[in-house]
Amino acid sequence: DQQVKQNSPSLSVQEGRISILNCDYTNSMFDYFLWYKKYPAEGPTFLISISSIKDKNEDGRFTVFLNKSAKHLSLHIVPSQPGDSAVYFCAASGGNQFYFGTGTSLTVIP
Amino acid sequence: GAVVSQHPSWVICKSGTSVKIECRSLDFQATTMFWYRQFPKQSLMLMATSNEGSKATYEQGVEKDKFLINHASLTLSTLTVTSAHPEDSSFYICSARDWGEGRETQYFGPGTRLLVL
Repeated sequence: DQQVKQNSPSLSVQEGRISILNCDYTNSMFDYFLWYKKYPAEGPTFLISISSIKDKNEDGRFTVFLNKSAKHLSLHIVPSQPGDSAVYFCAASGGNQFYFGTGTSLTVIP
Repeated sequence: GAVVSQHPSWVICKSGTSVKIECRSLDFQATTMFWYRQFPKQSLMLMATSNEGSKATYEQGVEKDKFLINHASLTLSTLTVTSAHPEDSSFYICSARDWGEGRETQYFGPGTRLLVL
């Protein structure tokens, strides 16, 4: 059973615009959430995280929003750059294990 | 962030041979490391959790006798694919836990591409 879901397998955005990647989870015990970026044939790179005590965390062009009541988090990238084109995974943790979504492939069009 | 390395990055082997993949945490100690597998255009699939000094914990459906895991030190875990077959061809990624932002975060290695002929 997929506890972390990314329902959009792909997303295309024009350079300079905002990219919004979404993630839903089912387990209300999750209290820590992360976003990773992955290029082909490379390991995922940690981007940004958020604890359940917050609803927003910002790091440069990346902002993660958490809506606990909706069990939903999103990653905003603004402005989007061609180098942001990659697969983005969200992950959730409530203890020992991390659960990953299936990924969203972002293409930023120059 | 913390750095995790994997070796080799690429390996091609004949069917029936065994392949060892190393995962190292370079600037931190990791009591727990994880091994993932990724098929093309699919998500990361957790294979097992590697615990330093004790037996690994395998996910359902993963054969522990085929995918041998050894976590002999706080900076090294190894995954050995025994008697590899073409269906074992995949991208294997390890990760290690470290503290970041006040919470444990997983940091991933660059991955190992295995091709079994």
